[in-house]
Amino acid sequence: GAGVSQTPSNKVTEKGKYVELRCDPISGHTALYWYRQSLGQGPEFLIYFQGTGAADDSGLPNDRFFAVRPEGSVSTLKIQRTERGDSAVYLCASSSFNEGGNTGELFFGEGSRLTVL
Amino acid sequence: AQKVTQAQTEISVVEKEDVTLDCVYETRDTTYYLFWYKQPPSGELVFLIRRNSFDEQNEISGRYSWNFQKSTSSFNFTITASQVVDSAVYFCALSIYNQGGKLIFGQGTELSVKP
Repeated sequence: GAGVSQTPSNKVTEKGKYVELRCDPISGHTALYWYRQSLGQGPEFLIYFQGTGAADDSGLPNDRFFAVRPEGSVSTLKIQRTERGDSAVYLCASSSFNEGGNTGELFFGEGSRLTVL
Repeated sequence: AQKVTQAQTEISVVEKEDVTLDCVYETRDTTYYLFWYKQPPSGELVFLIRRNSFDEQNEISGRYSWNFQKSTSSFNFTITASQVVDSAVYFCALSIYNQGGKLIFGQGTELSVKP
């Protein structure tokens, strides 16, 4: 498709389980971002990839969260030993680099809603 | 540290009224970008505008206009003659030059336009 695609759109899991969320960015976009949005809040930055490498993972809340982008396209956000506080919408965005190495518009997917029971 | 504040949590107007959404940002960096995004009930964030810190010209796009004032660190968004389809959550965001395009979002303002 033309936009950012995220799967699954909804995931319900039990506390302590492992979860993977997938993001397929817009073709040709080198930058990929993960954000987390809790109810009634703005999106909160988690991690950013430039190509295959994580350029900034300062937003990951703890070591239970990990993300990969092995071929510089699709990315997977992995959450180990899920907790109820991890319940949120996880948003993925992609962008192409422009002048000065900075990015312009971020294109967002519709998100993956994670519910931890 | 950088921060974006949208003091208005919810706004309700009647169709055809004008409405202004406030955004105040904090940064010590001199080169940065400001954004507005719209989030309709479907959940996907839709880009509306991007301005850089050196361009304080106001911008108008149809019924939308933006007022950027560095002196007050504000980047306000006005919708003229609002319509029911404008109902959504609107986010203001800040990005610092050479930090990879990472966006720092405000808390959002939920706009409800009633017929």
